[in-house]
Amino acid sequence: DAGITQSPRYKITETGRQVTLMCHQTWSHSYMFWYRQDLGHGLRLIYYSAAADITDKGEVPDGYVVSRSKTENFPLTLESATRSQTSVYFCASSRRPLMDPRNTEAFFGQGTRLTVV
Amino acid sequence: RKEVEQDPGPFNVPEGATVAFNCTYSNSASQSFFWYRQDCRKEPKLLMSVYSSGNEDGRFTAQLNRASQYISLLIRDSKLSDSATYLCVVNIPTNTGFQKLVFGTGTRLLVSP
Repeated sequence: DAGITQSPRYKITETGRQVTLMCHQTWSHSYMFWYRQDLGHGLRLIYYSAAADITDKGEVPDGYVVSRSKTENFPLTLESATRSQTSVYFCASSRRPLMDPRNTEAFFGQGTRLTVV
Repeated sequence: RKEVEQDPGPFNVPEGATVAFNCTYSNSASQSFFWYRQDCRKEPKLLMSVYSSGNEDGRFTAQLNRASQYISLLIRDSKLSDSATYLCVVNIPTNTGFQKLVFGTGTRLLVSP
């Protein structure tokens, strides 16, 4: 199916384990984003990518690693999960550099609910 | 100072009311602005883009004030189905030459019968 998909939808992991959240989009969008959403904080940007092999930090990058070897995939890895990383994670993609508000909608995946115990 | 700020609400209004949300942003070089809607436990979805001249889509009107660096969303004749969280979103240029999409914390709207 076309669109943007995240996997897994739900994940429970133990403190200290490495976890990778997957994000795949079929539109060949150049921009991709990872956010976490916590009560009282809204969506906070973790990392974003402007194109394959181009990534940059957002507001809360500590403890996370990203890669983008292919345009369609943007995995997010928690190198050593902590309880503070319990959250809902959203991946998004956008077709163009967002400078023109027309036709620059960012599309979101359905989210991954991660619980670190 | 946060890059994008909103009043978290909640705004409790009766059906048929008019309600307005405001949002401020800190980076004067920002060029693109949006309002997203998020329903409970769902992903955010674009409600409307915000253009310099202001724009309207049915009961929804968005306006941009660049001088004061704020964006507004007006909802007229509120419906029960308008109950959701409304997110102000700003495209912020970075010193690397790219752009990042930054969200406000969202304003929760509750429309009651």
